[in-house]
Amino acid sequence: AQSVTQPDIHITVSEGASLELRCNYSYGATPYLFWYVQSPGQGLQLLLKYFSGDTLVQGIKGFEAEFKRSQSSFNLRKPSVHWSDAAEYFCAVKSSGYSTLTFGKGTMLLVSP
Amino acid sequence: ETGVTQSPTHLIKTRGQQVTLRCSSQSGHNTVSWYQQALGQGPQFIFQYYREEENGRGNFPPRFSGLQFPNYSSELNVNALELDDSALYLCASSWVLAGANTGELFFGEGSRLTVL
Repeated sequence: AQSVTQPDIHITVSEGASLELRCNYSYGATPYLFWYVQSPGQGLQLLLKYFSGDTLVQGIKGFEAEFKRSQSSFNLRKPSVHWSDAAEYFCAVKSSGYSTLTFGKGTMLLVSP
Repeated sequence: ETGVTQSPTHLIKTRGQQVTLRCSSQSGHNTVSWYQQALGQGPQFIFQYYREEENGRGNFPPRFSGLQFPNYSSELNVNALELDDSALYLCASSWVLAGANTGELFFGEGSRLTVL
């Protein structure tokens, strides 16, 4: 069965600093991978997705992620964090057959002034 | 384009009661999935509906049931509520076509259920 691990429960970054959120997945075939963001009391918003092709994918709000098959990783990055980026971030992998996702437990991003 | 809408946004029930949550899918989408997100956890897949039939289910007991209607809206029903059912329930819609299933989901803002 597929699984997603987000090793960092909380991360604090200074505004303007760079960000990298880690995600490792376990899946037998070529994965479909996603990053979602959730602001307090809100649903999930898709930041970016990887299906195939170029391993560096660009998303909304200046985020990017790199798929590394050899490391089973799909880390999310942003060169300069804004205070409005404070939220919880979820990495997810698509289950085979259905359009359902398996999520990690999330990483809470805190942005300090 | 209308996004995914859910109702109610918040509700409180007592143990043993039953609850129905509702979801209107995004315009043009034909598949609805439901997820349970407990506090401090990632969303967990409950089930998915396609063409008004359940076509995938996570590790949830039969007291969690659902419906999808011809207009692709959906309901999630939970019977015999337990304290551990307290969570944010998220509905997500998608467009699924045979051989073209990317898994990209569009989520509503959720219904927060508290069981006392």
